[in-house]
Amino acid sequence: GNSVTQMEGPVTLSEEAFLTINCTYTATGYPSLFWYVQYPGEGLQLLLKATKADDKGSNKGFEATYRKETTSFHLEKGSVQVSDSAVYFCALISGGSYIPTFGRGTSLIVHP
Amino acid sequence: SAVISQKPSRDICQRGTSLTIQCQVDSQVTMMFWYRQQPGQSLTLIATANQGSEATYESGFVIDKFPISRPNLTFSTLTVSNMSPEDSSIYLCSVEAKGGGFTYEQYFGPGTRLTVT
Repeated sequence: GNSVTQMEGPVTLSEEAFLTINCTYTATGYPSLFWYVQYPGEGLQLLLKATKADDKGSNKGFEATYRKETTSFHLEKGSVQVSDSAVYFCALISGGSYIPTFGRGTSLIVHP
Repeated sequence: SAVISQKPSRDICQRGTSLTIQCQVDSQVTMMFWYRQQPGQSLTLIATANQGSEATYESGFVIDKFPISRPNLTFSTLTVSNMSPEDSSIYLCSVEAKGGGFTYEQYFGPGTRLTVT
């Protein structure tokens, strides 16, 4: 079956630091990959996505590259801000399903 | 895209009671879903709300505990019945709708934070 593994949090960084949140997956077929963000007290929002190998999704300074050879979709940002503090979920859709498989989420805390 | 609202945004309930959560979408959608997010955990799909027929429940979830209504293409309710403290979670409504271009994406409501005492 499909599964998504994310690095455990919380990840604590100072403002302007470099961010990496690791995500690896197992899936049948050729999945589409997603990162969702959940700000405190809110629902999930789609942050970025990639639908085929070597695609790079990007949004709001965040990037992730679909790496088929390593089955990974790591989230990166060059310089984080306090406002980026949130929980980040990696997810995939595969096998003809329209329902995402989510990772456990990684909490990011950015200090001024 | 789709904009989703949920009511209530949060509630504190006594064990043994029931709570009905409403989900309203600003456009007609075919697929609507209900998720549970327990503290510190990822999202777990409870069921797919089907318009005009019974909801489709995932393993571990049953209609008697989580009855769902879907009277039309823009609205659904989830009831958490005979609540216990283990039901304390965030309940999220989600829909599948057109994103950019020809792709479909999942959109989520803001969630209902339920605490059972």
